[in-house]
Amino acid sequence: RKEVEQDPGPFNVPEGATVAFNCTYSNSASQSFFWYRQDCRKEPKLLMSVYSSGNEDGRFTAQLNRASQYISLLIRDSKLSDSATYLCVVRAGAGGAGNNRKLIWGLGTSLAVNP
Amino acid sequence: EAQVTQNPRYLITVTGKKLTVTCSQNMNHEYMSWYRQDPGLGLRQIYYSMNVEVTDKGDVPEGYKVSRKEKRNFPLILESPSPNQTSLYFCASSIRQGAREKLFFGSGTQLSVL
Repeated sequence: RKEVEQDPGPFNVPEGATVAFNCTYSNSASQSFFWYRQDCRKEPKLLMSVYSSGNEDGRFTAQLNRASQYISLLIRDSKLSDSATYLCVVRAGAGGAGNNRKLIWGLGTSLAVNP
Repeated sequence: EAQVTQNPRYLITVTGKKLTVTCSQNMNHEYMSWYRQDPGLGLRQIYYSMNVEVTDKGDVPEGYKVSRKEKRNFPLILESPSPNQTSLYFCASSIRQGAREKLFFGSGTQLSVL
């Protein structure tokens, strides 16, 4: 089983739609969770951190379910500019080698928002 | 403007010809890291550095070297490139290696080794 798993998609949705992505992780000791956005062949950029109580940033809502070991990202009122790959990222918990509590990257979920 | 600068953006070389990809950040970040990204494999860490003169291996260090003589620079060196090192490379930095620290990425280097 991969440490971080995402549905690769692609998700094709019309403008204005609501779309949700899930990501599962295997290490129950994982400490921190993030969603990064990556446009084709460009650098990843942090979209939002994911907090235990869930958090919202404009049209984006992230949630964490520690019991089931998954995080989710909800995008409301999709825009054409939301078309990108969304990377789920998990930071390993205590006990990692040295001080490098490394980030484990999912392969990403591709989203295409269509006019 | 706060940024991570990588050069070159594109590089085509031949097997065995030493090359260096430069990375520089102007944010006084302690932590810097190199990743490669390949289809179906995602982002994998090559090397990282917690501070000046402190470097360590990531998940895929074979065939690569790094140095951190100054805080702002973290070059990636391929002493004898091989075709399996053809990839998209990203340098990244953060203020420190903390639980919630945001990673800032350079714009990437697409390397092709023939």
